[in-house]
Amino acid sequence: DTGVSQDPRHKITKRGQNVTFRCDPISEHNRLYWYRQTLGQGPEFLTYFQNEAQLEKSRLLSDRFSAERPKGSFSTLEIQRTEQGDSAMYLCASSFDERTPGEARKTQYFGPGTRLLVL
Amino acid sequence: AQKITQTQPGMFVQEKEAVTLDCTYDTSDPSYGLFWYKQPSSGEMIFLIYQGSYDQQNATEGRYSLNFQKARKSANLVISASQLGDSAMYFCAMENAGNMLTFGGGTRLMVKP
Repeated sequence: DTGVSQDPRHKITKRGQNVTFRCDPISEHNRLYWYRQTLGQGPEFLTYFQNEAQLEKSRLLSDRFSAERPKGSFSTLEIQRTEQGDSAMYLCASSFDERTPGEARKTQYFGPGTRLLVL
Repeated sequence: AQKITQTQPGMFVQEKEAVTLDCTYDTSDPSYGLFWYKQPSSGEMIFLIYQGSYDQQNATEGRYSLNFQKARKSANLVISASQLGDSAMYFCAMENAGNMLTFGGGTRLMVKP
């Protein structure tokens, strides 16, 4: 079983350009999450999908950020008109909504991340 | 709002000794999950261990154990018999009914040979 994969692993772009990142989750996982991690900090939640439905997007950092998961499999995260402050690691995670009696457990498994540098 | 606090920015441990990494949390949700992840220099977040808020026993996974003290809202990670490969950043995280993970600021563990 392959883990979560992300592409590209590294991206250097100039300020003002658009960038798109791809995430392929673990195949049987129905949930997919995006996080951003800046240097020296823990990851920060951005958005998540259950199948193709985007259930939470209020944490996206601005209207320049958008995410899609059109067929409920892979997902893309797009940043339009990039700024230097967007430089960070963008992490994708997936999980399977496994219910156990009394409490839900949804361990999120992370991909290797995409490091973005905006010049 | 959820909050995770890791008060140790960096820790040293001698190889083969045990080490405890601290984590305290704050939430008003009665149901939540607590996770520990390891992040080596390569950047990937590796899941280590999980503790549910209703679990009666402390979680264990190989050399990792979680010292869960619900009344004190703490979920410390204990690594036994440290190995050089354990050198990494360690993050404590909490998941609530909202399904997002809230992470602490992390602890950098350095294992000395």
